[in-house]
Amino acid sequence: SYELTQPPSVSVSPGQTASITCSGDKLGDKYACWYQQKPGQSPVVVIYRDSKRPSGIPERFSGSNSGNTATLTISGTQAMDEADYYCQAWDSSTGVVFGGGTKLTVL
Amino acid sequence: EVQLVESGGGLVQPGGSLRLSCAASGFTFSSYWMSWVRQAPGKGLEWVANIKQDGSEKYYVDSMKGRFTISRDNAKNSLYLQMNSLRAEDTAVYYCARGSGADYGMDVWGQGTTVTVSS
Repeated sequence: SYELTQPPSVSVSPGQTASITCSGDKLGDKYACWYQQKPGQSPVVVIYRDSKRPSGIPERFSGSNSGNTATLTISGTQAMDEADYYCQAWDSSTGVVFGGGTKLTVL
Repeated sequence: EVQLVESGGGLVQPGGSLRLSCAASGFTFSSYWMSWVRQAPGKGLEWVANIKQDGSEKYYVDSMKGRFTISRDNAKNSLYLQMNSLRAEDTAVYYCARGSGADYGMDVWGQGTTVTVSS
């Protein structure tokens, strides 16, 4: 079955750039999206189709996907960005696949 | 306002059954794939199933095939998840989400309903 791998945690200082990676076999051949989930809340999509931002998502969120790795980049990270982030892709054999999630700490 | 509201969660004994519902409003429900995603306590997101706009295609994660059934009633703007032979490991918050999880991902999520499987 298809798997996506994320680092369990990433730390960043306020105002700096945070990068969260998501690895999977030939992930660049699929579309990746990213969800943000804050404690006690439902997930929110912040990036879809590798790099598209839904309306209402700040411009500091961006995404890329190439080779075996998709990356979520948060520029000028703010305290409000502290959350769990999940990558997700669709595989023709496995179906919808989520990464294990990355806890972003802003300190 | 675009909204998804889940209901039907609760406490059920191992081996029991439960039917979850998701009421959609604020958009043309029949135009969208819909999905169920769950999250066990303290764990990550796990896709459960999704269903095409007209219900003609349904997909499940392998581990739940045969026990869970996704369905929809477009006339009632509602999505359902019938869960049978429940196990302790099915304990989770179950979310209803708009979208298939393919190229556009899942762009609207409900607040979730909690299922606890315990004796």
